[in-house]
Amino acid sequence: ELKVEQNPLFLSMQEGKNYTIYCNYSTTSDRLYWYRQDPGKSLESLFVLLSNGAVKQEGRLMASLDTKARLSTLHITAAVHDLSATYFCAVKGGGADGLTFGKGTHLIIQP
Amino acid sequence: DTAVSQTPKYLVTQMGNDKSIKCEQNLGHDTMYWYKQDSKKFLKIMFSYNNKELIINETVPNRFSPKSPDKAHLNLHINSLELGDSAVYFCASSKIAGGSYNEQFFGPGTRLTVL
Repeated sequence: ELKVEQNPLFLSMQEGKNYTIYCNYSTTSDRLYWYRQDPGKSLESLFVLLSNGAVKQEGRLMASLDTKARLSTLHITAAVHDLSATYFCAVKGGGADGLTFGKGTHLIIQP
Repeated sequence: DTAVSQTPKYLVTQMGNDKSIKCEQNLGHDTMYWYKQDSKKFLKIMFSYNNKELIINETVPNRFSPKSPDKAHLNLHINSLELGDSAVYFCASSKIAGGSYNEQFFGPGTRLTVL
């Protein structure tokens, strides 16, 4: 059974700081996704990572993938309040040929 | 120009009732999905469907059934609603070919409350 684990599940940080969210998955998968969800809203696709060593950056967010370690990271640089949200990683595979999601990291960035 | 839309946005109903949630995508995608997000925000795949095949997550009760009148729609029917069905249900779609990497685009969600 495919399992996806994120940590931390909750993170409170100050503006201007850097931090990393980790995503481990249990079986081989050829693609990993990061999504953002604001309270009461839908999921917004942030990154699609397809190969070992893949790195993608968008603004203050950077995602990377190590398929050998089955690990992806989402790094936040110089956090700003607008980045407060819940971030999910997801891996292709598992039941019903859909995505298997981690439990999400609830990120609060305080001024 | 909404990509994936769902109706209704909110649904409040009594235990034992039967209800449906509609989903439409205008992206020309091949595959559509239903996910359930519980009160702890945990997301779980329920179904995936393209014009050839329905794949059901074995943990989903058979009270839940997806129905697709055409490629752009995948509706979710729920019979004999139970309290534990209360959740937010998300529809999603993806293209299976052409370099899209199966990136899934999600609808706005339907918050179902069973009383």
